[in-house]
Amino acid sequence: NAGVMQNPRHLVRRRGQEARLRCSPVKGHSHVYWYRQLPEEGLKFMVYLQKENIIDESGMPKERFSAEFPKEGPSILRIQQVVRGDSAAYFCASSPPTGGQPQHFGDGTRLSIL
Amino acid sequence: QKEVEQDPGPLSVPEGAIVSLNCTYSNSAFQYFMWYRQYSRKGPELLMYTYSSGNKEDGRFTAQVDKSSKYISLFIRDSQPSDSATYLCAAGFQKLVFGTGTRLLVSP
Repeated sequence: NAGVMQNPRHLVRRRGQEARLRCSPVKGHSHVYWYRQLPEEGLKFMVYLQKENIIDESGMPKERFSAEFPKEGPSILRIQQVVRGDSAAYFCASSPPTGGQPQHFGDGTRLSIL
Repeated sequence: QKEVEQDPGPLSVPEGAIVSLNCTYSNSAFQYFMWYRQYSRKGPELLMYTYSSGNKEDGRFTAQVDKSSKYISLFIRDSQPSDSATYLCAAGFQKLVFGTGTRLLVSP
């Protein structure tokens, strides 16, 4: 069974470019979560999505960041006009549609901004 | 005050020791509590998952939750060098709140 798959594992962008991070959840999981981990800090919740719906985006920066989980295909975290402060590891997690189940994480995408 | 507090360590122990990792939390609404293990350059790996207060055991790992004191613990028996990693406690449900992680070093 494949776990949560994230790609790319490493992404380098110059300031002002766009970054697209992809996440394929565990097969059968319909809930996807994105977290950001800055150096020496814990993981911070960004957004919670179900298929075609954003359920909770309370952790998303107000500008430049967006997320989607379409009916078909992976979830995408999109960062427009990246800045140096966006450099971090971005982790995706998924959980099954039944309630009370834990989240399982992918190995993350490490975003570096030049 | 952070919602979940965790001593960053590092915590160094010899192989075979019993390890105790702890977190405190402030939000009394939390019902689900988790421990994840994270190796360098990898994602968090779920170790233990508990609902409300009580103990849960899985092999060498025991998780404890004391909701009256808002205290969660992870015990590792017969620690091994392969247990060297960062251990993250988390609380919540869909929106998990993580501690900063405790770095554990188990020396042979």
